[in-house]
Amino acid sequence: TQLLEQSPQFLSIQEGENLTVYCNSSSVFSSLQWYRQEPGEGPVLLVTVVTGGEVKKLKRLTFQFGDARKDSSLHITAAQPGDTGLYLCAGPVMRGSNYKLTFGKGTLLTVNP
Amino acid sequence: DAGVIQSPRHEVTEMGQEVTLRCKPISGHDYLFWYRQTMMRGLELLIYFNNNVPIDDSGMPEDRFSAKMPNASFSTLKIQPSEPRDSAVYFCASSFHKGTRGGYTFGSGTRLTVV
Repeated sequence: TQLLEQSPQFLSIQEGENLTVYCNSSSVFSSLQWYRQEPGEGPVLLVTVVTGGEVKKLKRLTFQFGDARKDSSLHITAAQPGDTGLYLCAGPVMRGSNYKLTFGKGTLLTVNP
Repeated sequence: DAGVIQSPRHEVTEMGQEVTLRCKPISGHDYLFWYRQTMMRGLELLIYFNNNVPIDDSGMPEDRFSAKMPNASFSTLKIQPSEPRDSAVYFCASSFHKGTRGGYTFGSGTRLTVV
């Protein structure tokens, strides 16, 4: 069972289009992170959201944390080929006194020129 | 800083052979994580260390897998004997803390193919 469900799994769009991808859970998270992973590389942190309802902007990328802190969305305006990659959300999960950062399976975005 | 450095980038080995993956974390980071990524299961945490001490190895699939961190600048993940189902991309990551706010810095990964 995947703790963080991401949708859609695959998304192929044309340059200039807008898009939104989602990260959902039935659990409450103290924070959520978004990473982007390019082919042949490791994930790179884009943003961390920590407050319910929080909105953060990173150039053409807008991240929102749900009011109940169970979900998050990433909106990209006027997508460019350089936005192509695997977008992963991640959240901290406590196991006893230990902690682990758990990832969703990601949304694979392809932006065609 | 050169970031998290992993070696080798690619490894092809025969079933039953021993495989050792290597990682050099970012200097000053006191947490080190080993993840495995496959299409079916995504990114899975295998084990993590804090100040060179293994804290949680509950993600290690079975006894064929072992990890060590002999000092703050080096860690290894060993598979012995390797099996075809171990084929995946293995990532090492490091951070200043558990990663709640600042996130992890990942290496470029080792793509392992066991034939």
